[in-house]
Amino acid sequence: GQSLEQPSEVTAVEGAIVQINCTYQTSGFYGLSWYQQHDGGAPTFLSYNALDGLEETGRFSSFLSRSDSYGYLLLQELQMKDSASYFCAVRDPKDTGRRALTFGSGTRLQVQP
Amino acid sequence: NAGVTQTPKFQVLKTGQSMTLQCAQDMNHEYMSWYRQDPGMGLRLIHYSVGAGITDQGEVPNGYNVSRSTTEDFPLRLLSAAPSQTSVYFCASSYSDSDYEQYFGPGTRLTVT
Repeated sequence: GQSLEQPSEVTAVEGAIVQINCTYQTSGFYGLSWYQQHDGGAPTFLSYNALDGLEETGRFSSFLSRSDSYGYLLLQELQMKDSASYFCAVRDPKDTGRRALTFGSGTRLQVQP
Repeated sequence: NAGVTQTPKFQVLKTGQSMTLQCAQDMNHEYMSWYRQDPGMGLRLIHYSVGAGITDQGEVPNGYNVSRSTTEDFPLRLLSAAPSQTSVYFCASSYSDSDYEQYFGPGTRLTVT
């Protein structure tokens, strides 16, 4: 089986930097993904880490440490529009060997002026 | 491309009624999945499919059926609706079960009274 843990809420001010952590337990591991979801909207893909280290995409970066079963999403130069929920997700082999995507319960980020 | 489409957007059912949530994608994706999202609980996988004619159960399959007769369509059937099935339902697709990016539909908000 698998489980993912992330904080339920984070608050930060506009222009600041915020880090959202994710720890996971899986029977296998095929990478850690991050998704963003605004209220009333659908989740949208942000980033993916298969190997250890930092991946940067504009203001967003994602980090993975496979030895620690840990990753984080780093958001820089926060803007009001970054207020959303952020989910980490892993692919984990089931009994069938197929790799379904499992999501954490999400971190709600509130950006304040 | 329309991407992933879902119908209806909203639905109210009485306990015991049955219905089908429709999902279609025009990206020739092999992998499709259904999630439900309840407040504070993130996305939970209901059923998924790695290709036409192949389906598997996810984390919370009870009370739901799926079939995949074509690559494009992946309908979700509620057999006998219960208030516990009140939720927002998302359909998602990707090229394969090893693809790290999933594309989500806009969701169906279902209320069972």
